[in-house]
Parts: sequence; structure tokens; C-alpha cells
Amino acid sequence: SSELTQDPAVSVALGQTVRITCQGDSLRSYYASWYQQKPGQAPVLVIYGKNNRPSGIPDRFSGSSSGNTASLTITGAQAEDEADYYCNSRDGNHVVFGGGTKLTVL
Amino acid sequence: QVQLQQWGAGLLKPSETLSLTCAVYGGSFSGYYWSWIRQPPGKGLEWIGEINHSGGTNYNPSLKSRVTISLDTSKNQFSLKLTSVTAADTAVYYCARGIFGVVIIPYYYYDMDVWGQGTTVTVSS
Repeated sequence: SSELTQDPAVSVALGQTVRITCQGDSLRSYYASWYQQKPGQAPVLVIYGKNNRPSGIPDRFSGSSSGNTASLTITGAQAEDEADYYCNSRDGNHVVFGGGTKLTVL
Repeated sequence: QVQLQQWGAGLLKPSETLSLTCAVYGGSFSGYYWSWIRQPPGKGLEWIGEINHSGGTNYNPSLKSRVTISLDTSKNQFSLKLTSVTAADTAVYYCARGIFGVVIIPYYYYDMDVWGQGTTVTVSS
């Protein structure tokens, strides 16, 4: 079955830009969706489709894709963006998640 | 605004059956996929399986032999059963609504836009 690969941890200085990546064969036909998860909370969708933000998600979050790699970019990271981030897509009849990236805002 | 409310037993003994239910408020089942996802302590998200509005199901191959997801449209609920649980099934379990979309053929997207609050399930003798 298809897998999605993410870097386990990434850090960014407050106010700077950070990119979190996700690789997998399913991303050649599916745009990745991205979720933010803070400790003790359910995941929250932050990016879906080509580059769409659900209502209430700040515009500093954006998504992009090239080949088998999808990226989530946070432009001007804030302290409240410190969280785990997961990518997700489908592989035929199955749903797949990346292993997650822990973002630390310094 | 659609909301998901889930419940079920939080403490099980090995070999018992895990049973969780998720109620959908403020929306219908049509046009969506209804999933169960779990997260073991300190680990990432694992998709368990899904059911569509017609009752069609797909399961994670690693859990398929033990999982059943069912739908009760009269109550606007869907349920998860996982048999023969072990300590490895200890996790927070989430229900979620999935949306399949077409960006431009042959490019698609799939996202889970609404999640339940999560239920902690512990398997211990």
C-alpha cells in the first residue's frame, strides 16, 4: 500500500517561514490535505485541494505540490503554530496519513 | 455546522470487542465518507476504515480481519467494532467526515473536514 513520508521534526524562528514536506506515490494523483494537531486535541484541517483553507484558518498557511511531493508552508510562523502536522491523501480505496512532523517555533 | 459526537467503552480487557459510535449532527450522510482513525499514545494517525452513505466499506488491510464499520441512517450514526483487542489497540479513536473532490481530472483531493472529539480506549488486563 502507498505510504506518505514526512520529516519527524522541523523548527522555525518566530516570524520566519517554514515548509513541511510530504512524499508519496499517491500524491501524483491526489493533492495532499494537511492537518494541525495540538496536544490533547483532535486534528484540524488547515489545507485541502490545490491550495484551499477552511474558514477560520489564517492565510499564512498555504499548500503546494510537485510530482510526488506536497508542501505546507507557514509564512510568518507564530507561537500558536507549534503543533504536529499530518498530511493525508487516498490510495485507491484506502486513506493514508503521513507519520507527522513536529513543528517547534523558537 | 456539522458536528460529530462519539462515545463508547474506554476500558477493555484483552480479547474483548471495542465498540464505538459516532453521531452526526447538522448534516446528512449523503456524498461523504465516514471514517474511523486512531492514534496510539505518542504516535501518529492511523486510518482504520470508512463507510459511505450507501453502506459501502473500505478497511485498512492491517486491521481488516477484525474491523466492522456500520451505518444507521435512521439515527444519523455510524459505528466501529474491533474484535479481539490487545494492548496494541490502546489509542485515542476519532471519527471523521471525509470529502472526495476533483480538482481537474486526473487530479483529486480527499480531506477530513470534521472530526469527533476523540475517545480514549485502553486495553489492559
